[in-house]
Amino acid sequence: AQTVTQSQPEMSVQEAETVTLSCTYDTSESDYYLFWYKQPPSRQMILVIRQEAYKQQNATENRFSVNFQKAAKSFSLKISDSQLGDAAMYFCAYRSAYLTSGNTGKLIFGQGTTLQVKP
Amino acid sequence: DAGVTQSPTHLIKTRGQQVTLRCSPKSGHDTVSWYQQALGQGPQFIFQYYEEEERQRGNFPDRFSGHQFPNYSSELNVNALLLGDSALYLCASSLSGIYSIQYFGAGTRLSVL
Repeated sequence: AQTVTQSQPEMSVQEAETVTLSCTYDTSESDYYLFWYKQPPSRQMILVIRQEAYKQQNATENRFSVNFQKAAKSFSLKISDSQLGDAAMYFCAYRSAYLTSGNTGKLIFGQGTTLQVKP
Repeated sequence: DAGVTQSPTHLIKTRGQQVTLRCSPKSGHDTVSWYQQALGQGPQFIFQYYEEEERQRGNFPDRFSGHQFPNYSSELNVNALLLGDSALYLCASSLSGIYSIQYFGAGTRLSVL
């Protein structure tokens, strides 16, 4: 079974600075998707960035980028030029790329990292 | 374009009661997944519905059941509520297929007293 681990329960960053959130995962599959979701106090989970395991190039979305190390099974999120609106809980998630009767695309989440942004 | 909507936003029940939570998917989406998120934890997959059938189920007891309607909306039912069922219940909608992104609603906060 696949697992996702986020070892940093809480992180803080000064506004305009850069912060990196860590995530490791365990799987025996070779093809999968990794995600970072943001959950602000409003509770709605918002997709931040997605990475396909078969792509070697790290995904980037504006101020958000990932460092995907497939061999190490590591998937960290870097937030540049942090803003007050970035304060939220961040979840790393895994999804298999193999569609079978036993797997139809469920997301497996880590425990989350609460990010505090200081003005 | 309306996103995923869930109702109610907050619900208080007592042990042993039954509860029904509702979800309307994002326009154009045909697949609905339900997740349970305990306080301070990551969401856990409950089950997924497609074409009005349960397509995959997580490690949850039969007290948790669901339904999908022809308009793709969905309900989550929990019978014989336990204190441990207190959590945020999230609904996510997507297109069928492994490549589709799941979009989440704001959830229903269930408190069992």
